[in-house]
Amino acid sequence: DGGITQSPKYLFRKEGQNVTLSCEQNLNHDAMYWYRQDPGQGLRLIYYSQIVNDFQKGDIAEGYSVSREKKESFPLTVTSAQKNPTAFYLCASSTRDSGNTIYFGEGSWLTVV
Amino acid sequence: AQKVTQAQTEISVVEKEDVTLDCVYETRDTTYYLFWYKQPPSGELVFLIRRNSFDEQNEISGRYSWNFQKSTSSFNFTITASQVVDSAVYFCALSEGFSNSGYALNFGKGTSLLVTP
Repeated sequence: DGGITQSPKYLFRKEGQNVTLSCEQNLNHDAMYWYRQDPGQGLRLIYYSQIVNDFQKGDIAEGYSVSREKKESFPLTVTSAQKNPTAFYLCASSTRDSGNTIYFGEGSWLTVV
Repeated sequence: AQKVTQAQTEISVVEKEDVTLDCVYETRDTTYYLFWYKQPPSGELVFLIRRNSFDEQNEISGRYSWNFQKSTSSFNFTITASQVVDSAVYFCALSEGFSNSGYALNFGKGTSLLVTP
């Protein structure tokens, strides 16, 4: 089935550790995005990538890093520099062929313990 | 500045009631896109509708309908004869075309809808 796959669904991190969230899409979409969701805050953009080997910071990029080595993959690393990483993370993708409508994965819950 | 405002934080209705979720947006662009997404308890955001700024026709899809009014910068969402399965958080979002954030969306804070039997 076509779609966006995020893994893991649940992740626990000790303070001071880096963790990487995986995002893979088989929709042949050019653009990919990472959003963070906190209770009552809506969704906020962390990073986005319009094409392979290129990505841009969003509104809350500090403490995060990404790579876009392949069209279908856009992993997000939450570094130890992120002071409050506990949140729900959503990966998304879009293409001009679908009117740039953004489609989302199922999300990953990250908890710092 | 908040570009998308969903003033209703939580709404509770009894099954079969109609309910309207409000969305007010702010943009200086003449070309923009408005979206509604549904987030059930499982967490995934489900795309419901996309509207461009040049199309003010109201949209109806089954029990769902959307009222887009540029004069009031609003894009309201109505569920007719609500059902328990409609319980979710609903997000309104704005895309101002290609910008500093690509085609990324600006989201409202969401409205939590609870439909009780």
